[in-house]
Amino acid sequence: GAVVSQHPSWVICKSGTSVKIECRSLDFQATTMFWYRQFPKQSLMLMATSNEGSKATYEQGVEKDKFLINHASLTLSTLTVTSAHPEDSSFYICSAMKRPGELFFGEGSRLTVL
Amino acid sequence: AQSVTQPDIHITVSEGASLELRCNYSYGATPYLFWYVQSPGQGLQLLLKYFSGDTLVQGIKGFEAEFKRSQSSFNLRKPSVHWSDAAEYFCAVGRGSGGSNYKLTFGKGTLLTVNP
Repeated sequence: GAVVSQHPSWVICKSGTSVKIECRSLDFQATTMFWYRQFPKQSLMLMATSNEGSKATYEQGVEKDKFLINHASLTLSTLTVTSAHPEDSSFYICSAMKRPGELFFGEGSRLTVL
Repeated sequence: AQSVTQPDIHITVSEGASLELRCNYSYGATPYLFWYVQSPGQGLQLLLKYFSGDTLVQGIKGFEAEFKRSQSSFNLRKPSVHWSDAAEYFCAVGRGSGGSNYKLTFGKGTLLTVNP
């Protein structure tokens, strides 16, 4: 199957700092990528849709100034958590669309904000 | 809006026993249907998908699922569970033509425990 890679797998940062998470599609081009957040023992919640060459589309309730998304190329989308606080600690997962309706997921990135 | 219901939060089976995980969805048209598996601290792996055609779909690791339109269900089955199948299982429904209008909605997941 297709490969989607996330980096870093885990990161610990101090409150108030910013953290960038990368999502790469390694063997296909993806004009659309998605970012999800998953709290412990819960399901995945869609945060935003990342579109190559244009602005991301955020879900209701997601702060676009807090969670900056950039999709600068057909194989890379980045999520930057700005001025992170402990409540932003979570598991962030990206996915990339290879074909209409078919998504492949990254391994996830665990963020811990102290 | 589409929704996905996985009625069972946690299921425990013995190794070698059969397994069925339930999934019901709510969506006006024929949806794209998926089952994913997630091991602790990992991303999601696609087990199988249904887009159209034969309503019984085969996936990886010996899993299969059957789309029943009349029941709005897409239950996942495996005839004989292995200890390595212990994980969280998510049913998902996709809608949209693809691209930026595509939405994938997940159920809350079913945690599978396998006893030796």
